[in-house]
Amino acid sequence: KAGVTQTPRYLIKTRGQQVTLSCSPISGHRSVSWYQQTPGQGLQFLFEYFSETQRNKGNFPGRFSGRQFSNSRSEMNVSTLELGDSALYLCASSHGLAGAITDTQYFGPGTRLTVL
Amino acid sequence: AQSVSQHNHHVILSEAASLELGCNYSYGGTVNLFWYVQYPGQHLQLLLKYFSGDPLVKGIKGFEAEFIKSKFSFNLRKPSVQWSDTAEYFCAVTYTGKLIFGQGTTLQVKP
Repeated sequence: KAGVTQTPRYLIKTRGQQVTLSCSPISGHRSVSWYQQTPGQGLQFLFEYFSETQRNKGNFPGRFSGRQFSNSRSEMNVSTLELGDSALYLCASSHGLAGAITDTQYFGPGTRLTVL
Repeated sequence: AQSVSQHNHHVILSEAASLELGCNYSYGGTVNLFWYVQYPGQHLQLLLKYFSGDPLVKGIKGFEAEFIKSKFSFNLRKPSVQWSDTAEYFCAVTYTGKLIFGQGTTLQVKP
């Protein structure tokens, strides 16, 4: 079974621009979560989508948004980029069955975003 | 809110030494616990997980972890490390549908 894939793998943008990152989950997984990984803050939860609906949200500003399509693929968008948005953005997928708390998340390789 | 604390930020061991990495969480309710590993240049991989039952769980590559509810702890152990275990290790806990990670521990194993 193919793993979680993320595109692009590397991205360089300048302040003020916007960026869209893409994530394709493992086949059959309906939940996609996004995380930001930085040396200073570690791994921080951004949001989770299940069946095209945002189900959970972390403590990030509104510049960070996402969506999920009917095939469970997800995109994350960051508008008005700031230098501090430079990070590795990880996507994780799971079955995400409603109400289940015993779900294991499987991570993709990440997209390395550099903001200049 | 849930928080996860990993006590050791950087650990250096020689091959064949025993490993124990500490992990404590703050929320006292029902939790699922995980250890993930990130090898250099690779993506996060699941080492092991605890959902319920036997508090001593075994994972891949000879790793194991013990869930001690009274201590809010989920420490990772390996009796004898190898150079190939050099990586960053993350403890994580589920909380209200989110996965909360500790800051990570960098393990360097010297050959």
